[in-house]
Amino acid sequence: DIQMTQSPSSLSASVGDRVTITCQASLDIGSYVNWYQQKPGQAPELLISDASNLRTGVPSRFSGSGSGTHFTFTISGLQPEDIATYYCQQYDDLFTFGPGTKVDLK
Amino acid sequence: QMQLQESGPGLLKPSETLSLTCSVSGGSISSYYWSWIRQPAGKGPEWIGRIWNTGRTNYNPSLKSRVTMSVDMSKNQFSLKLRSVTAADTAVYYCAREAGHYCGGDCYFPFDYWGRGTLVTVSS
Repeated sequence: DIQMTQSPSSLSASVGDRVTITCQASLDIGSYVNWYQQKPGQAPELLISDASNLRTGVPSRFSGSGSGTHFTFTISGLQPEDIATYYCQQYDDLFTFGPGTKVDLK
Repeated sequence: QMQLQESGPGLLKPSETLSLTCSVSGGSISSYYWSWIRQPAGKGPEWIGRIWNTGRTNYNPSLKSRVTMSVDMSKNQFSLKLRSVTAADTAVYYCAREAGHYCGGDCYFPFDYWGRGTLVTVSS
């Protein structure tokens, strides 16, 4: 099974800050990583696929990078509506989600 | 706009079988993979399994012995059965669509449409 880890597990940032989340896979998974945003009481929402492809309609302040085992998700200028938990997910072999990173306002 | 809606009992006793149905509207259930995903409170999502309209399935190895998925093309629905539940199966259960078409083999896609989720609690 491919395991996904994320860091940090939570962070506090101010509006306008640059926020970076990292995700590590237990095996080389190429670029088969997605990033999801989940707000309380809602289903996860796909933001980025294939490590760096921004889904249509998602603000350009969100971005992703990486390949192999190390991946990064960035919010270039945090907005109040970005307060949520973010999950990475591999889909190289079946599906595994990371444990999540909770982002809140400082 | 495609919409997915989970339905089924919200409270089960240990050893019972969890049965959920996902109704798909705004599009056909054919041509895509359909998954069940669950999320215990405060934890990351866990993929349970997926089904194609022919009935072909893939399951999470950790749950495979207890899971059965089925599809009803005439009703545009697919279903999940999870046998011998315990408190560890308490979670919000989501149905979701993969954003890619059937490839005939082991290919996987991001989840682009999700249901709102239904809470299933296992308690004696």
